Amino acid sequence: AQSVTQLDSQVPVFEEAPVELRCNYSSSVSVYLFWYVQYPNQGLQLLLKYLSGSTLVKGINGFEAEFNKSQTSFHLRKPSVHISDTAEYFCAVKESRNTPLVFGKGTRLSVIA
Amino acid sequence: DAGVTQSPTHLIKTRGQQVTLRCSPKSGHDTVSWYQQALGQGPQFIFQYYEEEERQRGNFPDRFSGHQFPNYSSELNVNALLLGDSALYLCASTLLGRDTEAFFGQGTRLTVV
Repeated sequence: AQSVTQLDSQVPVFEEAPVELRCNYSSSVSVYLFWYVQYPNQGLQLLLKYLSGSTLVKGINGFEAEFNKSQTSFHLRKPSVHISDTAEYFCAVKESRNTPLVFGKGTRLSVIA
Repeated sequence: DAGVTQSPTHLIKTRGQQVTLRCSPKSGHDTVSWYQQALGQGPQFIFQYYEEEERQRGNFPDRFSGHQFPNYSSELNVNALLLGDSALYLCASTLLGRDTEAFFGQGTRLTVV
C-alpha cells in the first residue's frame, strides 16, 4: 500500500528566508506526486505535480519540488518566503490517473515577520 | 467558470442523526471523489463516483454512502453519526483517465455533538 510521510509537522521560518518541506513516499510502482496548499478554512489548492519527465518541477507562487526516485522523496522548496505563504502544505501520491490521492499528515509552515 | 462547490459550508448534527453533504464538480469534469479530513490530519479517501456508480472505496464503514446524479453532481450521506465523524469533508472533481489535476471544493465542516 502507498503511504506518504511528511517529516516535519511544523516549520517556522523568517520572512524572505528559504524553506524546504520534506516528503517521502512508499510505493512499489511508479507514482504521480503532488503538493497541495490549504489556507485556513479553505479547500486544497494544487501547487505543483510530477507526472513524468524532468525531475525538477516548478509550481505556482515561486515553489518548486524535486523528484528523487532513489530516495523516494519529493521535497518542496522556495528560495524566499512571504507572510502570505503561511498555510498547511500536503504532499500526496497516486499510482495512476484513476486511483485516489494518498495524503501525508501535512506540514504547517509559519512565516515570521 | 465555477470551480467545485460544496454545500453547506458548516453543519452541526447530534450523535445518531443522519447527514447529507452536496458537491457540484468543476465544469467539464465527470468524476467526483470525497475525502474526510480530521483535525490536524491529511485528507483520507472515502469513495469515488463515475457514471453514477461507486468506482473505488477507501477504508470507511457502510454508514458512509454516496450518489452521483446525471449532471455529475454528488451527495455524501453519513448515517448513525458518531462523534468521530466530526471533520472537514472535501469533494474533488477530475476528468476520468486524464492527467488533469483534482480540483477541491472549500469543504463542509461537520461537527457532531
